[in-house]
Amino acid sequence: QVQLVQSGAEVKKPGASVKVSCKASGYTFSKYTIHWVRQAPGQRLEWLGWINAGNGDTKYSQKFQGRVSITRDTSASTLYMDLSSLRFEDTAVYYCARDLWGYCISGSCGGGDFWGQGTLVTVSS
Amino acid sequence: DIQMTQSPSSLSASVGDRVIITCRASQSIYNYLNWYQQKPGKAPKLLIYAASNLQNGVPSRFSGSGSGTDFTLTISSLQPEDFASYFCQQTDITPLTFGGGTRVEIK
Repeated sequence: QVQLVQSGAEVKKPGASVKVSCKASGYTFSKYTIHWVRQAPGQRLEWLGWINAGNGDTKYSQKFQGRVSITRDTSASTLYMDLSSLRFEDTAVYYCARDLWGYCISGSCGGGDFWGQGTLVTVSS
Repeated sequence: DIQMTQSPSSLSASVGDRVIITCRASQSIYNYLNWYQQKPGKAPKLLIYAASNLQNGVPSRFSGSGSGTDFTLTISSLQPEDFASYFCQQTDITPLTFGGGTRVEIK
C-alpha cells in the first residue's frame, strides 16, 4: 500500500534551517510528483512547492522562493524539504503529499491523494 | 494568486442532516477543484477530485459539483464519523491554494 512516512518533530531557533524527509513506498517512486504543504496554527493549508520525483524538476511558491528547497534521493525513495532563515511564523505542521495524477501538467496538478503523517516544526528562541 | 473563499466557516448539524459547503474561486479554475476532510491531528484526506469525482473508498454520501468559480460539497446524510473540517483546493495554477476550511460540529 502507498505510504509516505515523514521524519520526526523539530525545534529550531529563528534564523536556522530545517530539513524534513518523506520516505515513499508502495508505488513507483519516479512516476509521481510530490507536494509539500504546511498548516500553521489557526491558518489555512499553504502549498510550498512540488518536485517531479522522476526528473527532479521543482516548482516553488513565490512566497517561499529563495528559502525553500525540495530535493529527492531516488536510491532511497525519499524526498526532502529544506526551509531556511526560519521565522516564528514558520511554526507549523509540514506535510508531503503524492500528486493524484502522477505529474503536474502545464502548471496544473491533481492535488494530494496520499499524505504523510505530518512533521511539526517549532521555531522558538 | 487565486483566492479560495469557503463558506460557512463552521456549522452545527445533526446525524442524518444534509450538509452543503460552498467554495468560490477568485477566477475561473474550470473543474480543477478538490475537497478534503481533516480530523484533528491527522493529515487531510482526499474526498472529491476534479470537482465531482469521488475518490476511491469514499462513501457515496459525499458528492461535489460546480465549475468555473463556484463549487459545492454535499454530504447527503451526515454520519458520526463525518464531524471534521473540510477544505477546498484549486489545482489549476500554482501556487495551489486552499480555502479557509469549514468545521462541521455536532448540534
